[in-house]
Amino acid sequence: ETGVTQSPTHLIKTRGQQVTLRCSSQSGHNTVSWYQQALGQGPQFIFQYYREEENGRGNFPPRFSGLQFPNYSSELNVNALELDDSALYLCASSLATGGGYGYTFGSGTRLTVV
Amino acid sequence: KNEVEQSPQNLTAQEGEFITINCSYSVGISALHWLQQHPGGGIVSLFMLSSGKKKHGRLIATINIQEKHSSLHITASHPRDSAVYICAVKYPGNQFYFGTGTSLTVIP
Repeated sequence: ETGVTQSPTHLIKTRGQQVTLRCSSQSGHNTVSWYQQALGQGPQFIFQYYREEENGRGNFPPRFSGLQFPNYSSELNVNALELDDSALYLCASSLATGGGYGYTFGSGTRLTVV
Repeated sequence: KNEVEQSPQNLTAQEGEFITINCSYSVGISALHWLQQHPGGGIVSLFMLSSGKKKHGRLIATINIQEKHSSLHITASHPRDSAVYICAVKYPGNQFYFGTGTSLTVIP
């Protein structure tokens, strides 16, 4: 299977709620990264998982958490949603963590918090 | 400080024009990616560079490691090239740092 699939494509949540976003990585890719892209901005790194363990984290609070599963799928969980969490969330998978490996991006989940 | 700067921020071109988008970064990197993002949000990885030059169809990407600079060129531009082009660099470690993107509009 090729490509990275994210679900859902669009989501509306209320402030204070919790949300789970899903990413199905390209087969064989054991590294997945999650990014938040606010409107008009470049993506910001949230965290990376490698072989089901968190392997790096950006400047995001603990209410942003993740999981990676043996079947190359992963989740991004956000608790206690805030209005500023409204953004496009992107996942990208890679064969490994090194800089020499290409990344495949998903199409993103657009989250709106009202 | 890890910074990625792109220029120009916005670019409008006539169909057929040669286009150049520039990216500068501040410290040594392990790889640089050029990404294309269409209005729906999906990102396509165009190139991954660590040195030299790569070409794919009408797209050419170059990188100068000494000058910490990369360019993306589009020859014979076409309206379907209209998109946001993002430069992303990977420093030693696990993070990508992204530029804010260059919004390209190609007019027929």
